[in-house]
Amino acid sequence: AQSVAQPEDQVNVAEGNPLTVKCTYSVSGNPYLFWYVQYPNRGLQFLLKYITGDNLVKGSYGFEAEFNKSQTSFHLKKPSALVSDSALYFCAVRDLFGNKLVFGAGTILRVKS
Amino acid sequence: DGGITQSPKYLFRKEGQNVTLSCEQNLNHDAMYWYRQDPGQGLRLIYYSQIVNDFQKGDIAEGYSVSREKKESFPLTVTSAQKNPTAFYLCASSISTQDRSNQPQHFGDGTRLSIL
Repeated sequence: AQSVAQPEDQVNVAEGNPLTVKCTYSVSGNPYLFWYVQYPNRGLQFLLKYITGDNLVKGSYGFEAEFNKSQTSFHLKKPSALVSDSALYFCAVRDLFGNKLVFGAGTILRVKS
Repeated sequence: DGGITQSPKYLFRKEGQNVTLSCEQNLNHDAMYWYRQDPGQGLRLIYYSQIVNDFQKGDIAEGYSVSREKKESFPLTVTSAQKNPTAFYLCASSISTQDRSNQPQHFGDGTRLSIL
């Protein structure tokens, strides 16, 4: 079965510093991987996805993610964090038959000025 | 603008009562989904529908029911059999679950359900 792990409940970073939110996955077959962001009392917003091709994927709001097949990881990154990036971030993987998304438990990102 | 509308934003349920959460989309998407979100547990799939008049159980379907009579609408009923209904409920849609499974899901802004 497909699964996703986000090993950190919370990540704290100072404004202007680079940030990384970690995600590892377990899949049968080729992975379709996604990152979403959620602000308080709102739905999830799509940030970026990896389907195939370049291992470095660029997405919305200056975020990018690095796909690493050997380490089965898909970490979310941003070169310079903003206070407004503070939110809940979810990593997800499409299931084997393309019917469902399997989500990680989420990581709270706090950016302090 | 196209999007997904969930209503109401807040809902209160009395013991033994069924309540229905509304989800409407104007994105012309084939597939629709209902998730439940609890703190620290991520999103769990309740039901999903790939086409009109068809739907499948997700991971936590017990105590819930759905219908898909129109492409635009996918209401969720939380029945009295659901003993712990307090949660944030999210509806989503996507173009298709099969031949275009690399497309992201689009989410509504959720309904927060509480017990009186």
